[in-house]
Amino acid sequence: GQNIDQPTEMTATEGAIVQINCTYQTSGFNGLFWYQQHAGEAPTFLSYNVLDGLEEKGRFSSFLSRSKGYSYLLLKELQMKDSASYLCAVIDSNYQLIWGAGTKLIIKP
Amino acid sequence: IAGITQAPTSQILAAGRRMTLRCTQDMRHNAMYWYRQDLGLGLRLIHYSNTAGTTGKGEVPDGYSVSRANTDDFPLTLASAVPSQTSVYFCASSESPQGNPNEQFFGPGTRLTVL
Repeated sequence: GQNIDQPTEMTATEGAIVQINCTYQTSGFNGLFWYQQHAGEAPTFLSYNVLDGLEEKGRFSSFLSRSKGYSYLLLKELQMKDSASYLCAVIDSNYQLIWGAGTKLIIKP
Repeated sequence: IAGITQAPTSQILAAGRRMTLRCTQDMRHNAMYWYRQDLGLGLRLIHYSNTAGTTGKGEVPDGYSVSRANTDDFPLTLASAVPSQTSVYFCASSESPQGNPNEQFFGPGTRLTVL
């Protein structure tokens, strides 16, 4: 079966750095997405990785290791508005998106 | 319209009733998707359409049907609603079914309660 694992919930302090991990077992791999979803709102695109390595975009970075079936999302200089759920999703061999259950990130002052 | 719209925003429905959730996009995207999101389960694909005139089944299609008569609209119908269909429904679209990076854009969601 296909599976994506993320921690259910994480807590971090404003101004700090947090790393949200995602491991996956899917039938094939054609890329990995990270989305942000604030409570009661729609998911919005954050990043995309298809090759190994780190992609940096402002305060957010995403890393991929295809051989390990592993990705992480790194959030720096945390702000209260970063409190949200972060969804990891993998494109499988049929170009279907397989979604993780999401990690709820709580930012404390 | 800019992006994807969904209607209604929320709905309370009696079990056994028929209901159509509407989704419209103005980005001329070829591919469209319907998901349901339940607490602790993440997004699950119900049906998808790679291009106008074609549809396909996702992970949880039972009890739902879709049509794609044109590029912009992708309605989701519950023929006879049951309480287990209580969920938040998201419509999404992408430029194509494949491609790089081909991110999906989401509508604001419809919160459906079946009693």
